[in-house]
Amino acid sequence: AQKITQTQPGMFVQEKEAVTLDCTYDTSDPSYGLFWYKQPSSGEMIFLIYQGSYDQQNATEGRYSLNFQKARKSANLVISASQLGDSAMYFCAMRELPDSNYQLIWGAGTKLIIKP
Amino acid sequence: GAGVSQSPSNKVTEKGKDVELRCDPISGHTALYWYRQSLGQGLEFLIYFQGNSAPDKSGLPSDRFSAERTGGSVSTLTIQRTQQEDSAVYLCASSPRQGGYGYTFGSGTRLTVV
Repeated sequence: AQKITQTQPGMFVQEKEAVTLDCTYDTSDPSYGLFWYKQPSSGEMIFLIYQGSYDQQNATEGRYSLNFQKARKSANLVISASQLGDSAMYFCAMRELPDSNYQLIWGAGTKLIIKP
Repeated sequence: GAGVSQSPSNKVTEKGKDVELRCDPISGHTALYWYRQSLGQGLEFLIYFQGNSAPDKSGLPSDRFSAERTGGSVSTLTIQRTQQEDSAVYLCASSPRQGGYGYTFGSGTRLTVV
């Protein structure tokens, strides 16, 4: 069964609009971490934001915020005021804790294209 | 170094040849990971190193794949007798400690087997 599901293979968004990228996950472990990475055409994976399962507040990093709905098992990434440079692949990933579980389990990604 | 460095950035090889992919992690990062990304896909875990030891090799797809890490630093992923299905981007990441969420990825090696 898919542990990380990203239902949007591609999205087109107008520059300066906010965008939400969907991610749902499946785990029976109460302790886990959720990650979002950006992969531009250069290929490098760039860490954006992290949410721990016990974190009381939604994570925020600049223009990125994570809409964490634990009961629904969703961890959607919200990008405010999108920019042309936000065009990239976006991946949601999960790590089941404790630290001995070192693998990140990845979704298939969403290709985001920002239109001028 | 300042970031994770991978070389070569691109490699085209003939089917049946051996290839070596190199990863130079961030200095002081004890954990090192190799992932494979096929076209349009997420990442597939291959192997994890903590220091020089590889406690989990279960992600290696076949015995043609091997990896080593020397001096707790540079790692080499070797693919013997390459096949066309090995074509992918091979990404390396490092983190300060086992399972630490501060993963930093390199830019990857794009391998094309013709």
